[in-house]
Amino acid sequence: NAGVTQTPKFQVLKTGQSMTLQCAQDMNHEYMSWYRQDPGMGLRLIHYSVGAGITDQGEVPNGYNVSRSTTEDFPLRLLSAAPSQTSVYFCASRLTGPTLNYGYTFGSGTRLTVV
Amino acid sequence: EDQVTQSPEALRLQEGESSSLNCSYTVSGLRGLFWYRQDPGKGPEFLFTLYSAGEEKEKERLKATLTKKESFLHITAPKPEDSATYLCAVQAWGGYQKVTFGIGTKLQVIP
Repeated sequence: NAGVTQTPKFQVLKTGQSMTLQCAQDMNHEYMSWYRQDPGMGLRLIHYSVGAGITDQGEVPNGYNVSRSTTEDFPLRLLSAAPSQTSVYFCASRLTGPTLNYGYTFGSGTRLTVV
Repeated sequence: EDQVTQSPEALRLQEGESSSLNCSYTVSGLRGLFWYRQDPGKGPEFLFTLYSAGEEKEKERLKATLTKKESFLHITAPKPEDSATYLCAVQAWGGYQKVTFGIGTKLQVIP
């Protein structure tokens, strides 16, 4: 199993450009989410999805869009990149249901720089 | 608002020197407390979930414990390969399944 796969690993954007960060998982997890990790701050939730066709906002959703057309894929779109969006982005997934015994499975991250 | 505070921010240990990392938390209703390990340039790797005060879980040289206000990650006789940043996080009941993460403790184990 590949787990959670994120592409690209690195990206440099100019202010105002748009792009899509890709996330795919092969574990049949219903729940998928996007986090950003900034120095001196904990991981912060951007958007999440509890299943295909269902998405919702997290803690810091402004400037980002998501959609979930399949169980496997959960892309994150930056509409008009700003320097404040320079960060490391992680996709995470887990099984829904009562147990948290397996935690969340994270991808290896996308390091984004906006100049 | 849920909060997670980890201490110390950084810890340097000699190989074999046991120690503990602290995670203090406030949460409206704890559904679960997580410990993760994060290596440089990689995503967090799940270690443990704890659910209620008094619970303990072990994995190799790591043991996690939980009280109503804190969790500790005890590292017994650490090896250089235990060097990493250790993250603590809490998930509350209800809401939008938000998980609140701490900033982490960066552990360096010196041979």
